[in-house]
Amino acid sequence: EIVLTQSPGTLSLSPGERATLSCRASQSVSSSYLAWYQQKPGQAPRLLIYGASSRATGIPDRFSGSGSGTDFTLTISRLEPEDFAVYYCQQYGSSGGFTFGPGTKVDIK
Amino acid sequence: QVQLVQSGAEVKKPGASVKVSCKASGYTFTSYGISWVRQAPGQGLEWMGWISAYNGNTNYAQKLQGRVTMTTDTSTSTAYMELRSLRSDDTAVYYCARVGQQLVWGYWGQGTLVTVSS
Repeated sequence: EIVLTQSPGTLSLSPGERATLSCRASQSVSSSYLAWYQQKPGQAPRLLIYGASSRATGIPDRFSGSGSGTDFTLTISRLEPEDFAVYYCQQYGSSGGFTFGPGTKVDIK
Repeated sequence: QVQLVQSGAEVKKPGASVKVSCKASGYTFTSYGISWVRQAPGQGLEWMGWISAYNGNTNYAQKLQGRVTMTTDTSTSTAYMELRSLRSDDTAVYYCARVGQQLVWGYWGQGTLVTVSS
């Protein structure tokens, strides 16, 4: 089973700053099946990025995804107040199942 | 518009079973899959399994094999997740999500809190 590791665990930043979140896989994953989600307290997760770099419908262009193989990155170019949340990466593996990373919390510095 | 509406909160005793529903609307139910995820209090997301609404094929997380069953009722566009032999560590919010092309999870239910307590 592929294990996803996210770093850092918590990222403390100010509005307007750039956020760089990392997702590392224990073995190579298909970029086609690497996604990022945002979750705010009390809410269901929301899809941000799929296929490693494609923004979901309605997602602002300050969110971007990149990477391949075992290393993937979610970048928020300029943090808005509503971007402070927990972010999860997710992958689909050859075994037919999905796995999530443990999450990165972006909080206000 | 696409909506997934889940059943209400449940309180169960250890050893009991729970069945959570996820009613879909706004799209052709049989053209997509439904995945189930849970989130224990203060914890991350745990994938439980998924089902094709087209043919009923399922794939369950190894950890839950033997305790979980996912089904669909195409006549009502509803997916179900049943978890048996409940334990206290099954206490979590359970979510359903639509699985689309490129396995994109673009739509989620609102979540159902299942509490397991004696």
